[in-house]
Amino acid sequence: AQSVSQHNHHVILSEAASLELGCNYSYGGTVNLFWYVQYPGQHLQLLLKYFSGDPLVKGIKGFEAEFIKSKFSFNLRKPSVQWSDTAEYFCAVMPRGYSTLTFGKGTMLLVSP
Amino acid sequence: SQTIHQWPATLVQPVGSPLSLECTVEGTSNPNLYWYRQAAGRGLQLLFYSVGIGQISSEVPQNLSASRPQDRQFILSSKKLLLSDSGFYLCAWTSGVYSNTGELFFGEGSRLTVL
Repeated sequence: AQSVSQHNHHVILSEAASLELGCNYSYGGTVNLFWYVQYPGQHLQLLLKYFSGDPLVKGIKGFEAEFIKSKFSFNLRKPSVQWSDTAEYFCAVMPRGYSTLTFGKGTMLLVSP
Repeated sequence: SQTIHQWPATLVQPVGSPLSLECTVEGTSNPNLYWYRQAAGRGLQLLFYSVGIGQISSEVPQNLSASRPQDRQFILSSKKLLLSDSGFYLCAWTSGVYSNTGELFFGEGSRLTVL
């Protein structure tokens, strides 16, 4: 069965700092990859996704992620974080042909003003 | 536009009591439906999913069950709650036509506390 590993459980940054959240998955076949975000008091929502094509994908609010197939990684990045980026971030994978999404344990990001 | 609703939002139940959490989706037909449990530091654990009426797949053995009596209704139940059933339960849907994309849309969640 597939699994997803997120490297950090908690990250604390100051505003304007750069962000990189690590995500690795274990599955030998083709996958769809996702980052979801949960802002305080809000429901989970999609941040960005990768299905195929350009391995560098851009999402909402200036986030981007790069799929590196050889490393089974899909790291999330943002050049300059804002206080409003404080949230919990989840990486997720769905093998092609499957109907279920497997999530990582999440990374709580706290951005101090 | 499509919407998803879960209720109740908060529930406090004694051990041994029954449970029923409901989820409905509007604005789409034949969705794939999911129940996840979210626990701090543990991410989201898939409990059940359904690709059609009466079709339920269970991902983990547990004290809970799920049913899909109508196309856009998904119910999470228990006959007798355990303390370990406490948690935050999320319902989600994705279009059955594009189910292989994996883009889920989540409800607001139901927080269950078992005392």
